[in-house]
Amino acid sequence: DAKTTQPTSMDCAEGRAANLPCNHSTISGNEYVYWYRQIHSQGPQYIIHGLKNNETNEMASLIITEDRKSSTLILPHATLRDTAVYYCIVRNSNDYKLSFGAGTTVTVRA
Amino acid sequence: DAGVIQSPRHEVTEMGQEVTLRCKPISGHDYLFWYRQTMMRGLELLIYFNNNVPIDDSGMPEDRFSAKMPNASFSTLKIQPSEPRDSAVYFCASSLSPRVDEQYFGPGTRLTVT
Repeated sequence: DAKTTQPTSMDCAEGRAANLPCNHSTISGNEYVYWYRQIHSQGPQYIIHGLKNNETNEMASLIITEDRKSSTLILPHATLRDTAVYYCIVRNSNDYKLSFGAGTTVTVRA
Repeated sequence: DAGVIQSPRHEVTEMGQEVTLRCKPISGHDYLFWYRQTMMRGLELLIYFNNNVPIDDSGMPEDRFSAKMPNASFSTLKIQPSEPRDSAVYFCASSLSPRVDEQYFGPGTRLTVT
């Protein structure tokens, strides 16, 4: 699996957009970019995924660069409940093994 | 639906004791996964079942770990004997398909082995 690099932590003001970067320069052509988050003392929660086009759902938007070597997860209007660790991973679409390391600790402040 | 249910939420035991973690998947989900999460190793898949049959147990650390799924609504992960290095949060997840984006996670069991 391609390796991803994320900042260790970031702060965000409540009500503002939170932009979370991820680098995945070794991503292969059939690998998707997935984002998950883990709120304290809870299990991982799927957010969004994409291959090369930008994606949007009720939780977030995913912007993938044209060369696919990096992406940005956008939480459009961050709330205090969005405080969590956010993980960016790359996987084939039919993969079943979820695994991640450190992620980005996002703290939303009032 | 109540989601994936795990029990106990917290378990503290002494080295050498047997530990049993329990999971009730979401009704109708044919796939069940057991994961372990530690600060050092992150999230790791231990084993997964399809229709109550173990499909991939390559992530099970050693013979001290065993998992069963006697029916579609219940699974157990047993550690015997437990060791301090088994201390971790153990998650159970279930899904309609094996895809990573379709797995719903339970709240986890925090295991501490002293």
